[in-house]
Amino acid sequence: DADVTQTPRNRITKTGKRIMLECSQTKGHDRMYWYRQDPGLGLRLIYYSFDVKDINKGEISDGYSVSRQAQAKFSLSLESAIPNQTALYFCATSDHWDRGMNEQFFGPGTRLTVL
Amino acid sequence: RKEVEQDPGPFNVPEGATVAFNCTYSNSASQSFFWYRQDCRKEPKLLMSVYSSGNEDGRFTAQLNRASQYISLLIRDSKLSDSATYLCVVNKGDKIIFGKGTRLHILP
Repeated sequence: DADVTQTPRNRITKTGKRIMLECSQTKGHDRMYWYRQDPGLGLRLIYYSFDVKDINKGEISDGYSVSRQAQAKFSLSLESAIPNQTALYFCATSDHWDRGMNEQFFGPGTRLTVL
Repeated sequence: RKEVEQDPGPFNVPEGATVAFNCTYSNSASQSFFWYRQDCRKEPKLLMSVYSSGNEDGRFTAQLNRASQYISLLIRDSKLSDSATYLCVVNKGDKIIFGKGTRLHILP
């Protein structure tokens, strides 16, 4: 079974709809992240969480919100989806950072299309 | 200057050849460096960490040059299965920056 799972894997929605992307992990990591990937722009950090009570904005948080329901679950919401939020979304986890960053483990991604 | 820069490629390389690409970073205080590999439409996966002394893992060698602020990845005896996008990752404290990636195509 995959250590980091994302649901749904693909989603097509319309402008203005509320969308939630979910991420679950069985790695026991405290740290979780949401990224989006666009052609030519690479991976960009949306939000990250170091533990259940800690939520931080990343590079491009506008238009998104997150919820860390438990250590193993981190969901990303688009309150009112717009077409430029069409992208491939990845969830990732990592262990504590000791003098630097530890390896990030990525989920398989959610391909979101906003019409 | 962008925080992390990579040549997007594509690098088209015949099977068996050696290929190398670099990644430059702008923050001299960056602490950790990594190369990730991403196959088309798949998630990124760690290829190797990059240590100050340089490190090797089979056909792959990573180097860090702090003075010139770049990291490099060398692939020897390239295989068809090495075709992928290679992402450079630089970290300082809580900040993680992914490069946009270098596309590599190994030609039969």
